[in-house]
Amino acid sequence: QSVLTQPPSVSAAPGQKVTISCSGSTSNIGNNYVSWYQQLPGTAPKLLIYDNNKRPSGIPDRFSGSKSGTSATLGITGLQTGDEADYYCGTWDSSLSAVFGGGTKVTVL
Amino acid sequence: QLQLQESGPGLVKPSETLSLTCTVSGDSISSDTYYWGWIRQPPGKGLEWIGSIYYSGSTYYNPSLKSRVSISVDTSKNQFSLNLSSVTAADTAVYFCARPVRSDILYGMGVWGQGTAVTVSS
Repeated sequence: QSVLTQPPSVSAAPGQKVTISCSGSTSNIGNNYVSWYQQLPGTAPKLLIYDNNKRPSGIPDRFSGSKSGTSATLGITGLQTGDEADYYCGTWDSSLSAVFGGGTKVTVL
Repeated sequence: QLQLQESGPGLVKPSETLSLTCTVSGDSISSDTYYWGWIRQPPGKGLEWIGSIYYSGSTYYNPSLKSRVSISVDTSKNQFSLNLSSVTAADTAVYFCARPVRSDILYGMGVWGQGTAVTVSS
């Protein structure tokens, strides 16, 4: 059971938009920055978003992040087949531990 | 360009200690004020943070693993290491080393190693 809650899967057609939610509490998301990762099969996770809404260099602006209260959201616009992957949210928790969501599988129909 | 590379045995027997090393290239562990972390991923499951170490040696561990985990740093070799004792099949996972995108946090991992698979089995 993950500390942060994500939907197991989302899907959309190419070119469409998907959003992935990440729900936590005041012990984690409510008082810390949220990061988002993309993990393609058989590879290491890749940082997409940090500090709730900042993109590392090289990450296209099709990927966006937001946070409100104890929840965060990752948005992907202009969905591409190459976006099929698992996506994880993460943050810091008051238990002095980094925590992750259970992951969301994005399927491009 | 910063690169991380995990190394260590791919097979560990139950009750023994899992030992992995992360070699850092492209930057010096002791010159930057970053935390360096370990994360694992059991087969078909999500990510779990194991712990992190500062270049000076101060550590933070996942409370659920704290009694079995030890992370150390060797600045002379530009490496940091993970020891996980009394392993069971539940510790079978891909183990990643990583560094945060900012120096003042322990999460938000911006650079990752490729990961190394460890199986616990007799």
